[in-house]
Amino acid sequence: AQSVAQPEDQVNVAEGNPLTVKCTYSVSGNPYLFWYVQYPNRGLQFLLKYITGDNLVKGSYGFEAEFNKSQTSFHLKKPSALVSDSALYFCAVRDGTGGGNKLTFGTGTQLKVEL
Amino acid sequence: DAMVIQNPRYQVTQFGKPVTLSCSQTLNHNVMYWYQQKSSQAPKLLFHYYDKDFNNEADTPDNFQSRRPNTSFCFLDIRSPGLGDAAMYLCATSRSALNTEAFFGQGTRLTVV
Repeated sequence: AQSVAQPEDQVNVAEGNPLTVKCTYSVSGNPYLFWYVQYPNRGLQFLLKYITGDNLVKGSYGFEAEFNKSQTSFHLKKPSALVSDSALYFCAVRDGTGGGNKLTFGTGTQLKVEL
Repeated sequence: DAMVIQNPRYQVTQFGKPVTLSCSQTLNHNVMYWYQQKSSQAPKLLFHYYDKDFNNEADTPDNFQSRRPNTSFCFLDIRSPGLGDAAMYLCATSRSALNTEAFFGQGTRLTVV
């Protein structure tokens, strides 16, 4: 079975400060990890993914994420937050070894960036 | 250009009256997913197709059915909607390779009255 945990329901940060949204995962095989963002009443937009290689992956809108195999984590980061980054963020995992195409999401973290 | 299109964006249906939600894609992706999302919760996978192969999640109620008549279209049928089925329904597609991301439509918000 595969699962994702996002331990924080909400993260508040001041504009211009760095932000981190946490994610940990559990899979039997190789993890394929994804971050998505959702604005109100909209579908999910892909931000970035980790498949293999460099543990630091860069994505859209200045976001990046760090894969840590020993801690089974894939935290989303941005050096300088913008008010427009305020949205709901989801981490997702797919088992790259025999898990099929199933994509499992975490419960989401609401990011609020304030002036 | 829209790549995964869901219609309608908003659907109101009566309790117990069958309803169909539709999804189309221009990406020619093998895999199509239907997710249910309730009030800012995690999207919950209902089922997915790999080409014509249907994969149902074990905890998806029988009330939910799906059809995929061709690569481009996929439908979600709710046979007898209950109040608890009010939610955002998200369609997504991906290529068959496991290392590819999924592309989501804008969703259909279903209200049951």
